Amino acid sequence: EDQVTQSPEALRLQEGESSSLNCSYTVSGLRGLFWYRQDPGKGPEFLFTLYSAGEEKEKERLKATLTKKESFLHITAPKPEDSATYLCAVQAGDYKLSFGAGTTVTVRA
Amino acid sequence: GAGVSQSPSNKVTEKGKDVELRCDPISGHTALYWYRQSLGQGLEFLIYFQGNSAPDKSGLPSDRFSAERTGGSVSTLTIQRTQQEDSAVYLCASSTAGRSTDTQYFGPGTRLTVL
Repeated sequence: EDQVTQSPEALRLQEGESSSLNCSYTVSGLRGLFWYRQDPGKGPEFLFTLYSAGEEKEKERLKATLTKKESFLHITAPKPEDSATYLCAVQAGDYKLSFGAGTTVTVRA
Repeated sequence: GAGVSQSPSNKVTEKGKDVELRCDPISGHTALYWYRQSLGQGLEFLIYFQGNSAPDKSGLPSDRFSAERTGGSVSTLTIQRTQQEDSAVYLCASSTAGRSTDTQYFGPGTRLTVL
């Protein structure tokens, strides 16, 4: 069974204080690893897909990286608007996404 | 273009009642998914529709849950004889064709509260 573990559960940052979120996974035959952002009361918003170890993708202050066992979401110089819950999901073999529980990031001005 | 829409946004019901949740996928998307998000837990896959193929119902937690998709577009998730443990946010997603590498785009969800 696919397992996805995200850490930490919560992260409080000062504006401008860079940090990283971790997503470790155990799957048989990874097809893709997805990062989503979820704001309170809203559905997950797609950020990145990573397909193979060594791959990196960037969007504004966010950068996602992938190894054979884990993925990191780096937040550089965060702003209050980066406050959200960040979800990691893996896809192995078919279309179902297996999600982690998420990391809730709070950025204080 | 419009994203995935869901209705109602909130539903409060009494234990034992039936509820119907609706999902309108992105126009042109042939694959549709339902997930459930319980407090403090990750999203849980429920059911998958792809075109005219038989749906994958492997994630439905009990036979009280059912879903249909009419005309390859709108989908309805029905929960019969609701229980308090059914309280959660029900999320619908759609993707272009249901291939494993297709991005799933989510709607805003329906928050179900069973009293």
